[in-house]
Amino acid sequence: NAGVTQTPKFRILKIGQSMTLQCAQDMNHNYMYWYRQDPGMGLKLIYYSVGAGITDKGEVPNGYNVSRSTTEDFPLRLELAAPSQTSVYFCASSDSGSKETQYFGPGTRLLVL
Amino acid sequence: SQKIEQNSEALNIQEGKTATLTCNYTNYSPAYLQWYRQDPGRGPVFLLLIRENEKEKRKERLKVTFDTTLKQSLFHITASQPADSATYLCALDSGRRALTFGSGTRLQVQP
Repeated sequence: NAGVTQTPKFRILKIGQSMTLQCAQDMNHNYMYWYRQDPGMGLKLIYYSVGAGITDKGEVPNGYNVSRSTTEDFPLRLELAAPSQTSVYFCASSDSGSKETQYFGPGTRLLVL
Repeated sequence: SQKIEQNSEALNIQEGKTATLTCNYTNYSPAYLQWYRQDPGRGPVFLLLIRENEKEKRKERLKVTFDTTLKQSLFHITASQPADSATYLCALDSGRRALTFGSGTRLQVQP
């Protein structure tokens, strides 16, 4: 099993550009999450999904969109990138929500200039 | 407001000693609390989960306690090794089918 994979590993965006961060998991997990982590800070939840076709906002959803058309994939879309979105983005999955282990991907480092 | 507090200052200890990290929370009533390890440039890795009705959980050299009265969890690493150097994050079940993470404590084990 590859676990949770994320692409790209690193990206530089100009202000106002858009991009999609890809996340896939091969563990057949129902729950998937997107977090951002700023330097020296904890993880902040952006969006999560409890299954295909179901998504919900987390703590910091503004400026982002998600979709979950399959169990495996959970892409995060940034529209009109802003410098405040410079961060490291982690995708995670779990079998049954917060009472179970979350498995994290390696992260995508995003720099918006 | 809800808060999860971990010591933001790095914890420096000598190899072989016991490291103790603290996680305090306010305005939460978590049913579960988890600890993760994060190495630089990598995603967090799960270590231990403890439920609200469990006082203590052990796994090899790791021990976690959970005091719902004090609203505190302690994370211990016994016989610490330089390879244990990392940032340790606590995370609470926030009641919305997701976890809320603390900002982590960096542990440095000196040989």
